[in-house]
Amino acid sequence: QKEVEQNSGPLSVPEGAIASLNCTYSDRGSQSFFWYRQYSGKSPELIMSIYSNGDKEDGRFTAQLNKASQYVSLLIRDSQPSDSATYLCAVQSTTGNQFYFGTGTSLTVIP
Amino acid sequence: EAQVTQNPRYLITVTGKKLTVTCSQNMNHEYMSWYRQDPGLGLRQIYYSMNVEVTDKGDVPEGYKVSRKEKRNFPLILESPSPNQTSLYFCASSSPRVDTGELFFGEGSRLTVL
Repeated sequence: QKEVEQNSGPLSVPEGAIASLNCTYSDRGSQSFFWYRQYSGKSPELIMSIYSNGDKEDGRFTAQLNKASQYVSLLIRDSQPSDSATYLCAVQSTTGNQFYFGTGTSLTVIP
Repeated sequence: EAQVTQNPRYLITVTGKKLTVTCSQNMNHEYMSWYRQDPGLGLRQIYYSMNVEVTDKGDVPEGYKVSRKEKRNFPLILESPSPNQTSLYFCASSSPRVDTGELFFGEGSRLTVL
């Protein structure tokens, strides 16, 4: 079983819609969770981090964490064409020394 | 400006010719790590270092070496590159407290081994 699993997509949404990205992880003891955005050929950049159960909002982005279900999600409201990218879910190991990444979900926002 | 710098950004080499990819960070981070990214496989950790002279294997260490003689530098060494090491490589650094473990990535090094 992979440490972190994401639907690879591709996911297509119209401009202005809500994009929903999902991620599950296997290590029940994990405490730190991250969403990175990666444009083609570029390095990943952090969008959101979340450490406790519930929702965390930052502008158009909302991260949701449910540790009981070992599930992390990212909602992008009012999606823009510039949001078209691959979104990587990452989970930090309980010891803090390793980060496990999902294979990424490719998102396309259609104008 | 806080940054992680990798060199070279692009490299084409031949099987068996030793090469080093350098990585340097200016954020005084204790933690540094190397990843390779391949289509369909995502980012996979090669090696990581918790501090100077402390390194450990990640998930795919075979064929790679690293060293951490200074806090700011973490070079990746391919002693005898093979075509299956053709990939996009990222160096990253962090101050890995459990509650603030954001990884800062370099721009990536695209390596082709013929």
